[in-house]
Amino acid sequence: NAGVTQTPKFQVLKTGQSMTLQCAQDMNHEYMSWYRQDPGMGLRLIHYSVGAGITDQGEVPNGYNVSRSTTEDFPLRLLSAAPSQTSVYFCASKRDSVSYEQYFGPGTRLTVT
Amino acid sequence: GDSVTQMEGPVTLSEEAFLTINCTYTATGYPSLFWYVQYPGEGLQLLLKATKADDKGSNKGFEATYRKETTSFHLEKGSVQVSDSAVYFCALSVRSNDYKLSFGAGTTVTVRA
Repeated sequence: NAGVTQTPKFQVLKTGQSMTLQCAQDMNHEYMSWYRQDPGMGLRLIHYSVGAGITDQGEVPNGYNVSRSTTEDFPLRLLSAAPSQTSVYFCASKRDSVSYEQYFGPGTRLTVT
Repeated sequence: GDSVTQMEGPVTLSEEAFLTINCTYTATGYPSLFWYVQYPGEGLQLLLKATKADDKGSNKGFEATYRKETTSFHLEKGSVQVSDSAVYFCALSVRSNDYKLSFGAGTTVTVRA
């Protein structure tokens, strides 16, 4: 049971490039989310999903895209990277609407130059 | 909206000292409250939680009590160790938005031997 896994661990992009951050969970959780962590701001929700085929926007969705074709995977796409997207990105999952605990992946540190 | 305010750091302590990190919240509904911990280079882990007023969450020697009258959830530990050095996040979730955690900015704690 690997929990929530994320790849890559580190990434450097140039402005305007696109890329996909991968997230997978093997706990059969319904809910999955993407957060970004910036100094002094805690974590902010980018996008979330409450089940396969269902996604919605969080607090800071601009410049990001998601899809949820399977229960296990929830990739985050940066369409055209900007320096403001330099951050640490965390994927999280939660079993269902009744459960409380969110499980976090180890994070991806992204730098956009 | 829902928000969490926690004391700013960084906090530096000696081993065996008493630790308190203040956390207050505002919420549109009746929130569940959490403390998450992030050790260096890792993702977030749930440290403790409380889901109703006057509940006390506890784990690894840490405690926090849900105080509805003061909208607070302060984290305490009576005798810290070097291994407690980490970033601590206070967070809340409300049932109407159960997919989402609202986080405080985080408090960096360093314990010196």
